[in-house]
Amino acid sequence: EAGVTQFPSHSVIEKGQTVTLRCDPISGHDNLYWYRRVMGKEIKFLLHFVKESKQDESGMPNNRFLAERTGGTYSTLKVQPAELEDSGVYFCASSRQDNEKLFFGSGTQLSVL
Amino acid sequence: AQTVTQSQPEMSVQEAETVTLSCTYDTSENNYYLFWYKQPPSRQMILVIRQEAYKQQNATENRFSVNFQKAAKSFSLKISDSQLGDTAMYFCATENSGGSNYKLTFGKGTLLTVNP
Repeated sequence: EAGVTQFPSHSVIEKGQTVTLRCDPISGHDNLYWYRRVMGKEIKFLLHFVKESKQDESGMPNNRFLAERTGGTYSTLKVQPAELEDSGVYFCASSRQDNEKLFFGSGTQLSVL
Repeated sequence: AQTVTQSQPEMSVQEAETVTLSCTYDTSENNYYLFWYKQPPSRQMILVIRQEAYKQQNATENRFSVNFQKAAKSFSLKISDSQLGDTAMYFCATENSGGSNYKLTFGKGTLLTVNP
């Protein structure tokens, strides 16, 4: 069984540019989550999808971040325009049911210069 | 708001020895879950162990065990017979969504190095 896959593994962009991160959850997992770790700080929850619907997006920093989950399969997280403070590692995770084990991807290291 | 504190940014241990990673947390909930996650250098985070707050018995998973002190809000992880493959960043986390593990609150992590 394939795990949670994230693309790209690394992204280096300039301030003001747009970046789109992608997450492919494990097949059959309705729940998909995005988390972010800024250097030296805690991993923070961003949002939660159940299938294609946003269940909770209380952790999204601001309206420069847009998350989608087309057809309830893969998810994208777009940052537009990117700012320096957006640098960090963006993790995606999925689970079959809410109270089941979370499976994390390897993360996308985003560097905004 | 929940908070999780890991007071040891880095630790090291010799292979085959035992090491304990500390974690304290703060929550106003009675029913919650506690987790330890491991992130090896390959960066995929893996669940090590999970503890339900209403269970008094400490959770164990092979060489990994926890010391859960509910009154003190402490949740330390003990790794016995440390192996080189245990080298990783370890994150303590909690959630209080009635069993749903989606909105985790993490600590800053402890980087553990196992030396040969």
